[in-house]
Amino acid sequence: EVQLVESGGGLVQPGGSLRVSCAASGLSFSTYWMSWVRQAPGKGLEWVANINQPGNERYYLDSVKGRFTVSRDNAKSSLYLEMNSLRAEDTAVYYCARLLMAAGGPNWFDPWGQGTLVTVSS
Amino acid sequence: AIQMTQSPSSLSASVGDRVTITCRASQGIRDDLGWYQQKPGKAPKLLIYAASTLQSGVPSRFSGSGSDTDFTLTISSLQPEDFATYYCLQDNIYPWTFGQGTKVEIK
Repeated sequence: EVQLVESGGGLVQPGGSLRVSCAASGLSFSTYWMSWVRQAPGKGLEWVANINQPGNERYYLDSVKGRFTVSRDNAKSSLYLEMNSLRAEDTAVYYCARLLMAAGGPNWFDPWGQGTLVTVSS
Repeated sequence: AIQMTQSPSSLSASVGDRVTITCRASQGIRDDLGWYQQKPGKAPKLLIYAASTLQSGVPSRFSGSGSDTDFTLTISSLQPEDFATYYCLQDNIYPWTFGQGTKVEIK
């Protein structure tokens, strides 16, 4: 069974930094694209970032470009999201998800982790 | 960015009802659309991808249709475990965008 377990969330001040992690098991991690999706409290889902298998191709939501960095360690079957210059509007549950891709599209997220809450507040 | 407009934003229905949720894209996205179900306090779950392909293990009462700009998620006979919020997602062009969600509540 594929399992994704996020960790590292917490309370951080505006302008601060935080790194959240996602530990994967039950899959050949290095063969899959991976993603981060977030959900602000009481709000809808928002795609944040994708990263390819070797980690040299990345895509970001415009509002996080230059502040967030997605990375991975295939030897540790782990995905990361380094978040800098955090703002109140980054407060959300951050989910990692495996990204499945058909040649030329479409793409889909399955499964998702349980999420980790990041709160940006003074 | 492509805007995904879901309707309705919420609905009340009874067990056994047929439920239809629509998602409209602001520009054509071929069939690059998925549907996700989310229950309170839980992670989203994939229901349908490529607009109409049912994910393995998802009950056959769920179905998806559409292409280009107009898409539909149908639940043929609503069950108690289907009360949740449903989201569409376009994965055609970055940034990928979700619809705002449709909350299905008990009537």
